[in-house]
Amino acid sequence: AQTVTQSQPEMSVQEAETVTLSCTYDTSESDYYLFWYKQPPSRQMILVIRQEAYKQQNATENRFSVNFQKAAKSFSLKISDSQLGDAAMYFCACRTQGGSEKLVFGKGTKLTVNP
Amino acid sequence: DAGVIQSPRHEVTEMGQEVTLRCKPISGHDYLFWYRQTMMRGLELLIYFNNNVPIDDSGMPEDRFSAKMPNASFSTLKIQPSEPRDSAVYFCASSSEQVNEQFFGPGTRLTVL
Repeated sequence: AQTVTQSQPEMSVQEAETVTLSCTYDTSESDYYLFWYKQPPSRQMILVIRQEAYKQQNATENRFSVNFQKAAKSFSLKISDSQLGDAAMYFCACRTQGGSEKLVFGKGTKLTVNP
Repeated sequence: DAGVIQSPRHEVTEMGQEVTLRCKPISGHDYLFWYRQTMMRGLELLIYFNNNVPIDDSGMPEDRFSAKMPNASFSTLKIQPSEPRDSAVYFCASSSEQVNEQFFGPGTRLTVL
């Protein structure tokens, strides 16, 4: 069974600064996908970034990037130049490739952005 | 595309009543998922369908919960009878093999008094 752990229930960052959210996972599969979802107060789940486990290069989407350490089973999210609109819950998730489309989520990290 | 559509957005009911949540997936998506979100347990997968067929319902908490997908554009999640501990936000999501992403609906906030 897969597990996803987010050890930081809450984080805060100053506007324009950089923050890193941590995530570790456990899976016995060799082929899988990792995701970060954002959930603002509107509660809409929005995909921020995804990483295929077979790719060594870390994924980047504008101000969002990941640090994927496969051996350590670590998948952290870095937000650069933080904006007030980045304030939200952030969920890390894992999905194995083939045979199951199930997403397993971590418990989330609440990010506050201070002006 | 309108995205995943869920109704109602909010539901308040009394213990013992039947509750039906509805979902319309994105056209062309062949996977549909039902999740439940609570403060205590986070986001949990309840059940998912592929081509209208239930594939994994191991997350359905008990027999009071049932889900159906009569066609590719509609699914329901029913709770009968409802209990206060069922209070949560229920999300529907859809995806396809061609798109490596699950698209979530806006959720239904259920309150059982």
